[in-house]
Amino acid sequence: GENVEQHPSTLSVQEGDSAVIKCTYSDSASNYFPWYKQELGKRPQLIIDIRSNVGEKKDQRIAVTLNKTAKHFSLHITETQPEDSAVYFCAANRFNQGGKLIFGQGTELSVKP
Amino acid sequence: DTEVTQTPKHLVMGMTNKKSLKCEQHMGHRAMYWYKQKAKKPPELMFVYSYEKLSINESVPSRFSPECPNSSLLNLHLHALQPEDSALYLCASSRGAGGSDTQYFGPGTRLTVL
Repeated sequence: GENVEQHPSTLSVQEGDSAVIKCTYSDSASNYFPWYKQELGKRPQLIIDIRSNVGEKKDQRIAVTLNKTAKHFSLHITETQPEDSAVYFCAANRFNQGGKLIFGQGTELSVKP
Repeated sequence: DTEVTQTPKHLVMGMTNKKSLKCEQHMGHRAMYWYKQKAKKPPELMFVYSYEKLSINESVPSRFSPECPNSSLLNLHLHALQPEDSALYLCASSRGAGGSDTQYFGPGTRLTVL
């Protein structure tokens, strides 16, 4: 079955710096890759997602890149702010998996003012 | 309404109690999910309902019993739970249960089993 590995498990950056979180997946049939942000005590919130027919997607300070050949995708956050501090989860899904998202183990991002 | 809601926010129960968690969405989504989440770990899928029918059961113990009374509501009935079942229980919904349908999470119910 699908396996998603996420690195690093913790990441500390200074405010204004960039942060990059990487995920690799094992199932070449996976075609949907969402990223969720979860603040302490809150629900996971979708921040960006990418489907396998595109290689990059941007939304203001957040971008996701996908390399299907290498089976990895990355989250890029530019100009980080303290409110970006949270746990970030990547996930993968395939068209015939019935909605079964496979999550990475999470990255705890800390942005220091 | 663009949110998934869950009640109660917190629940404390003994191992002999019976309780239920409730989830509701009014986005017209036809797939609903139950997840269990331990602290700083990813959500673990428990059940998927697609068009009000149970489509995935991730080998969850029978002390957890899901129910989907209609397309907007999802319940999780709890009975004879163990302390290790203490966790955040998240509900989610998506337009369909297809592989690229975005899942939207509710705020969760924080369950403590004594």
